[in-house]
Amino acid sequence: DIQMTQSPSTLSASVGDRVTITCRASQSISSWLAWYQQKPGKAPKLLIYKASSLESGVPSRFSGSGSGTEFTLTISSLQPGDFATYYCQKYNSYPFTFGPGTKVDIK
Amino acid sequence: EVQLLESGGGLVQPGGSLRLSCAASGFTFSSSAMSWVRQAPGKGLEWVSGLSVSGDRTYYADAVKGRFTISRDISKNTLFLQMSSLRADDTAIYYCARDLKGTDYWGQGTLVTVSS
Repeated sequence: DIQMTQSPSTLSASVGDRVTITCRASQSISSWLAWYQQKPGKAPKLLIYKASSLESGVPSRFSGSGSGTEFTLTISSLQPGDFATYYCQKYNSYPFTFGPGTKVDIK
Repeated sequence: EVQLLESGGGLVQPGGSLRLSCAASGFTFSSSAMSWVRQAPGKGLEWVSGLSVSGDRTYYADAVKGRFTISRDISKNTLFLQMSSLRADDTAIYYCARDLKGTDYWGQGTLVTVSS
């Protein structure tokens, strides 16, 4: 099975900062990658699908890029509601494996 | 409005069984691939099981293969997860989710606690 990794595991940032999270797949998954945001006690929320497509209703400060085995999620200007944990997921085929997550907290 | 409502969680002893249900509404359930995803306390997301659009292909994480069974009842727009031989490390919130664009809709989750 394809393994997913994320870096960093924790990221400390301030409001207004540009934030980048990296996700790597152990084999090529083309562009079949999604990004999720999860806040404590809540279900995950889809942000980006097919590596770079913004889900409806998600602010444009979120963007995704990459293909093959390396992907990035960028938040152009961090807002107070963006402090959360972010997960990538590959979905080219089952199993739809998640990355281990990146927690974005307040510096 | 898409809604996924899980039920059936609770406290069960090691070695026991439990069946989770997920009532779906607001979309064409019979034309949707679905998954169960879990999250152990303080841990990350773990994909558990998936069901194809046609409903005839099932998929499982290695950790649950042979112990869990995913199924659906189209007449009731309901997804199920039958869990048996439960272990302490199965303790988690279990989410039902629709597999479109990755996983675009999630339920609120149901807590399964495996403990004596």
